Amino acid sequence: DIQMTQTPASLSASVGDRVTITCRASQVIGFYVAWYQERPGKVPKLLIHAASSLQSGVPSRFSGSQSGTVFTLTISSLQPEDSATYYCQNYGSARWAFGQGTKVEIK
Amino acid sequence: EVQLVQSGAEVKKPGESLTISCKASGYIFNNYWIGWVRQMPGRGLEWVGIINPSDSYLAYSPSFQGQVTISADKSISTAFLHWSGLRASDSGIYYCARQYSTSSEVDYWGQGTLVTVSS
Repeated sequence: DIQMTQTPASLSASVGDRVTITCRASQVIGFYVAWYQERPGKVPKLLIHAASSLQSGVPSRFSGSQSGTVFTLTISSLQPEDSATYYCQNYGSARWAFGQGTKVEIK
Repeated sequence: EVQLVQSGAEVKKPGESLTISCKASGYIFNNYWIGWVRQMPGRGLEWVGIINPSDSYLAYSPSFQGQVTISADKSISTAFLHWSGLRASDSGIYYCARQYSTSSEVDYWGQGTLVTVSS
């Protein structure tokens, strides 16, 4: 089965910083990757799908990109409300796989 | 309005059986796959398995194969997750979520069902 290796496990950054989170797939998976934001006690919120498509209503400071089997979520200018845990997900071929998660904290 | 409404929290003892549910509304149930995801306390998201309600095609994560059973009842637009013998390690929040096709994003999630297994 496909493994999604997500790094870093956590990060601390200041408001206005550019933040990057990476997921590496264990095999070729096309562009079938989504990114979610999870706040404590809340349901995961879809941010990005198809590697780089911004979900409706999500702020434009969030973006996704792909280079081969490496997928990246970028927050261009970190805001206080972005404090959360972020997950990547592969969703193709009737199999899902999640990354381990990245906890983003505001300094 | 699309909704996936899950059954309420459960407290069970090891060895007991349990079925939790995910009732869909606001869309054609047969047209979307339903997947299940577990989140253990303080841990990340884990894929449990998936069902296509239109033909009952099933797939399970190797970590959950043989441990749970997924099913769906088209007549009541509801998917189910069943354990025949719970273990303490089954404790966690279980989410259902829908996917239009195996190449489309997972766009709606249920609110989650907390399962606590403790003697």
